[in-house]
Amino acid sequence: DIVMTQTPLSSPVTLGQPASISCRSSQSLVHSNGNTYLSWLQQRPGQPPRLLIYKISNRFSGVPDRFSGSGAGTDFTLKISRVEAEDVGVYYCMQMTEFPWTFGPGTKVEIK
Amino acid sequence: EVQLVESGGGLVQPGGSLRLSCAASGFNLRSHWMNWVRQAPGKGLEWVGNIEHETSEKQYADSVRGRFTISRDNAKNSVYLQMNSLRAEDTAVYYCARVIPGAVDSWGQGTLVTVSS
Repeated sequence: DIVMTQTPLSSPVTLGQPASISCRSSQSLVHSNGNTYLSWLQQRPGQPPRLLIYKISNRFSGVPDRFSGSGAGTDFTLKISRVEAEDVGVYYCMQMTEFPWTFGPGTKVEIK
Repeated sequence: EVQLVESGGGLVQPGGSLRLSCAASGFNLRSHWMNWVRQAPGKGLEWVGNIEHETSEKQYADSVRGRFTISRDNAKNSVYLQMNSLRAEDTAVYYCARVIPGAVDSWGQGTLVTVSS
């Protein structure tokens, strides 16, 4: 199985400041069709997960442009350019390149 | 608007069975793979399995293979998760989620399953 790791696991940030979360996979996420199926999801307290970014860097419909994704192969990053109060929650990376689909352990973003 | 509504959760004894349902609306269920994902209390997300939209081919996590079965009824706009031989470690909120090319884009609110004597 592909193991997903995330750093940090907790990220206290100041409102208006940037935040960055790293996700690493135990093997390349490049599919045989050339796509890389790495997504980022946000889970606010008491809510279901919400898709933010898919295929590394594609922002999903309705997601603010302060969220961006980058990376390749086994190393990926989610950046929030200026953290807002509504960004508090847990962020997960997820791979869909190979079954079983797997998630990272989550990174908790909180306001300092 | 895409809506996914799970139902069927509750308290069940170890070794028991439960069937979860996911009612889909606002989109053509026939066009989408569908997923089940679970989240134990205070823990992260765990993919349970999914069902393909045309052939109904299924994939499962090792932790549930042989005990859980995913099915779908496109005519009823519904997806199901039959859970047998339940264990304490199956206690979780179970989410139904839609798959689009390259992502899981829509999630239900989830239904809580508690396995306890």
